[in-house]
Order: sequence, then structure tokens, then C-alpha cells
Amino acid sequence: AQSVTQLGSHVSVSEGALVLLRCNYSSSVPPYLFWYVQYPNQGLQLLLKYTSAATLVKGINGFEAEFKKSETSFHLTKPSAHMSDAAEYFCAVIKDSSYKLIFGSGTRLLVRP
Amino acid sequence: DGGITQSPKYLFRKEGQNVTLSCEQNLNHDAMYWYRQDPGQGLRLIYYSQIVNDFQKGDIAEGYSVSREKKESFPLTVTSAQKNPTAFYLCASSTQEGEATDTQYFGPGTRLTVL
Repeated sequence: AQSVTQLGSHVSVSEGALVLLRCNYSSSVPPYLFWYVQYPNQGLQLLLKYTSAATLVKGINGFEAEFKKSETSFHLTKPSAHMSDAAEYFCAVIKDSSYKLIFGSGTRLLVRP
Repeated sequence: DGGITQSPKYLFRKEGQNVTLSCEQNLNHDAMYWYRQDPGQGLRLIYYSQIVNDFQKGDIAEGYSVSREKKESFPLTVTSAQKNPTAFYLCASSTQEGEATDTQYFGPGTRLTVL
């Protein structure tokens, strides 16, 4: 069965520093993976998704993620953090061959001035 | 503008009362979903519907009920049987084009508090 694990419930970076949010997946079949962002008291917004077309996926707001099968990882990165990036980030995987998303527990990103 | 609307944004309920959360979409999506979010946890699927007049239980359906009489609407009722209903509820929708990569789009959420 598919699942995702997000390492670190909180990540703190300085403004302008590299952002790295970790996600590892478990899947017996090629996975479809997603990153969503949630601002306080709002719904989720799709940042990017991996659908096997390319291992390096570029998303909105300068974020990107690289699919590494050998490491079963799909980490989210951004070269330079901005104050507006402070939010909670969720990694998700499609469950089996269904349309259901399985979410990780989330990582809250804090950006220090 | 196309999108998903949820109402109300905040909802307070007394113990023992049923309450219905609204979810409407004008994206012409076939599939709709309800999730529950608790602090420090990811989203958990309550119910989903892939077509009008049909829906399936998700991972935590006990104490909840839904209906799908119209394509645009997927209301969720939190019944008195739900033991711990205080949470943030999110509705989502997606196309059903036969691809597992159909993206789910989310509404702004309803925060339910049981007094």
C-alpha cells in the first residue's frame, strides 16, 4: 500500500536561505506524487506533481521537487526563501490505482527575517 | 471565477446536534471529496463521490453522511454519532478523465467547533 512520510514537523530557515522539505514514499508501483501548500485557515493549493514524465518537476512560486527512485524520495526545494513562503506543506501520493490521495502529516515552514 | 466554495467558514455546534457543511463547485468536475484535518496530522478522507447519485466511504466515514444529488454540490452532515467532530473540514474536486494524476482542487475549508 502507498504511503508518504514527511521528516520534520517544523523547519525554520532564514529569508534568502535554501528551503528543503523532505518526503519519502512507499509504493509497490510507480507512484504519482504531489506537493500542496496550505496557508493559515485556508484550503490546500497544488504546488507541483510528479507523473513520471520528468524526474525534476517545477512548480509555482519557485519551488521544485526531484523524484529519486533509488532513495524513494520526493523532496521539495526552493533556492531562496521568502517571508511569504511561511506555510504548511503536505506531500501526498495516489493510493493504489484509485483516485484517493494519501497525505503526509505536513511540515510547517517558518521563515526568519 | 471557477472554484470551490465552502460555507460557513466557522461553525459552532452543541453536542448532540447534527450539522451540515456546504460544498459547491463550478469547475464541472465529476469527482468530489471530503477531508478532515486535525492539528499535526495530514488530511484524512471521509467520503468521496465519482459521479452524481453515487458515493463511497473513505477512511473515517463513521459519524458522517453525504449526498450527491447534483454535480455541483456535495454536502457533508456531521451527526451526533461522531465522537470528536471538532476539526477543519476541507472539500475538494477533480476531473475523472481516467488518469490517476487528476489534480484535486480544494475549497477554503470550514472550521467546526463543538461546544
